[in-house]
Amino acid sequence: GAGVSQSPSNKVTEKGKDVELRCDPISGHTALYWYRQSLGQGLEFLIYFQGNSAPDKSGLPSDRFSAERTGGSVSTLTIQRTQQEDSAVYLCASSQEGANYGYTFGSGTRLTVV
Amino acid sequence: AQTVTQSQPEMSVQEAETVTLSCTYDTSESDYYLFWYKQPPSRQMILVIRQEAYKQQNATENRFSVNFQKAAKSFSLKISDSQLGDAAMYFCACEVNSGYALNFGKGTSLLVTP
Repeated sequence: GAGVSQSPSNKVTEKGKDVELRCDPISGHTALYWYRQSLGQGLEFLIYFQGNSAPDKSGLPSDRFSAERTGGSVSTLTIQRTQQEDSAVYLCASSQEGANYGYTFGSGTRLTVV
Repeated sequence: AQTVTQSQPEMSVQEAETVTLSCTYDTSESDYYLFWYKQPPSRQMILVIRQEAYKQQNATENRFSVNFQKAAKSFSLKISDSQLGDAAMYFCACEVNSGYALNFGKGTSLLVTP
């Protein structure tokens, strides 16, 4: 695609429910990143994919968070048993190879847990 | 831990004037990359400028330029001839861990007044 696409754009969910956030990177970009942006905070690194594998999952805040990437393309970030503190904007980005040339970001998913 | 610090939560500039946004970072690498991103209300992060640490020449992109002081680990962004469309959050970022991810500061909110 022409850009990084994220869906849904906004998601309101009840506490305790599971949610799935989707990211469709730029075609041909092998690296994919998930970040979380909480109100008034910077971007918190969650996970990085190179192809389908995730060399570093240490940024995931808890075991309620998981992510996968299939076919070297689409990625899904899943949050189980959502809590109010999970409310944030979840940003996805992709790059051709690593971070040296910067990322192309999507517009994010705003998650609100009520 | 590699950290990026933006000491100005908010800045204001008049249209057509010049403003400088500050950023300091901490890294143990000798060769790395630095970035400034702009985030307008649409949430999409846009790459403004990129600096390679081994290059002494400061990067420039049209009205945007940086003052890169490697020894001081300082990387400020100068916006000349400010325009209303420059109003946004600006994030400084440093490449970490041999290029697989970016570490972001907490951002500076720039207000441009007519």
